[in-house]
Amino acid sequence: QVQLQESGPGLVKPSETLSLTCTVSGGSISSYYWSWIRQPPGKGLEWIGYIYYSGSTNYNPSLKSRVTISVDTSKNQFSLKLSSVTAADTAVYYCARADAGLSSSYYYYMDVWGKGTTVTVSS
Amino acid sequence: QSVLTQPPSASGTPGQRVTISCSGSSSNIGSNTVNWYQQLPGTAPKLLIYSNNQRPSGVPDRFSGSKSGTSASLAISGLQSEDEADYYCAAWDDSLNGSVVFGGGTKLTVL
Repeated sequence: QVQLQESGPGLVKPSETLSLTCTVSGGSISSYYWSWIRQPPGKGLEWIGYIYYSGSTNYNPSLKSRVTISVDTSKNQFSLKLSSVTAADTAVYYCARADAGLSSSYYYYMDVWGKGTTVTVSS
Repeated sequence: QSVLTQPPSASGTPGQRVTISCSGSSSNIGSNTVNWYQQLPGTAPKLLIYSNNQRPSGVPDRFSGSKSGTSASLAISGLQSEDEADYYCAAWDDSLNGSVVFGGGTKLTVL
């Protein structure tokens, strides 16, 4: 049974770079799409982006200029970097596994989620 | 302002049937499949319905999804107290280079 675990600093200073890692256990990272999603306090979900195990990426247009997602298949991990953070980036950050493809229409769904990690942006 | 539109709240009594709507556009729900996620208080979201109407293993058949045009619905029959949670719809959006868009979430209260 695949499990995901987020890790990284819980506090980041404004203007610095937020860095998180998601470790995949119980299965190989060498398939599927691997995603990051965030949820500000008391608000809804926001998709940040994904990386395919081969290295191709796709980012939320509203965050694209600040986001980098990378994968390390040797460690079964993928990572998120978000630059120039502000208080608006304070959120619970989730990593998730996604399945995607094209049948009669395009499908993309996140079927395994990590428990989430809280990141606060504050000086 | 979320790309997909959901009612902020819904409620029902135990045993009732409730539905939650999700409205989008031709670039998301109108073109691609819809998924529903359930988020119990203080926990991570969980996939509830995928590809419009498919249930992952372990999800009770009390939960069902449907899609018509640019709208989708989640129905919960035989409502139980443990169904009290936030529910989010989501779909792939073909705008720009493509991205996942969510609804703002519906808080379901079991009275």
